[in-house]
Amino acid sequence: RKEVEQDPGPFNVPEGATVAFNCTYSNSASQSFFWYRQDCRKEPKLLMSVYSSGNEDGRFTAQLNRASQYISLLIRDSKLSDSATYLCVVNPPSNTGKLIFGQGTTLQVKP
Amino acid sequence: NAGVTQTPKFQVLKTGQSMTLQCAQDMNHNSMYWYRQDPGMGLRLIYYSASEGTTDKGEVPNGYNVSRLNKREFSLRLESAAPSQTSVYFCASTLWGIAGEGGYTFGSGTRLTVV
Repeated sequence: RKEVEQDPGPFNVPEGATVAFNCTYSNSASQSFFWYRQDCRKEPKLLMSVYSSGNEDGRFTAQLNRASQYISLLIRDSKLSDSATYLCVVNPPSNTGKLIFGQGTTLQVKP
Repeated sequence: NAGVTQTPKFQVLKTGQSMTLQCAQDMNHNSMYWYRQDPGMGLRLIYYSASEGTTDKGEVPNGYNVSRLNKREFSLRLESAAPSQTSVYFCASTLWGIAGEGGYTFGSGTRLTVV
């Protein structure tokens, strides 16, 4: 089993739609969680951290379910500019700062 | 503030040639990392340096060596390039022990093709 698993998609949605991605992780002792965004042929960039209480940043909402070992990202009112690959990232229980990346979920927002 | 700078951005090598990928950060981060990214595989850790003076293997270290030259610089060397090393290489950095706070800052990547 992979340490971090995502549905690669692609998810094709119309502008204005709401879309959700899930990600599962295997190590129950993992400490922290993130969503990164990667545009085509660019470096990944931190989108948001994921907290147990859930957190929201504008149109983006991230949730963590430790009992089921999954995290989610909800995007409301999708924009064309949201088209990208979204990487689920887990910080495992170590003190080296090594992050584990999922292979990414591709979102394509259509006009 | 430049962040993480990688050079070169593009490189084509012949099988058996050697080269060094350079990475430098100006954020006073302790920890630095080299990843490779291949289609369908996601980002895989090659080597990392938790702090100046230390380096450790990641998930896919074979065929690579690294040097943590100082706190700012972390280089990746391919001694004898193979076609399987065709990939996009990313360098990243973070403050040691608080990757959980802000994650990584990535460089813009090096696209390497080995023919």
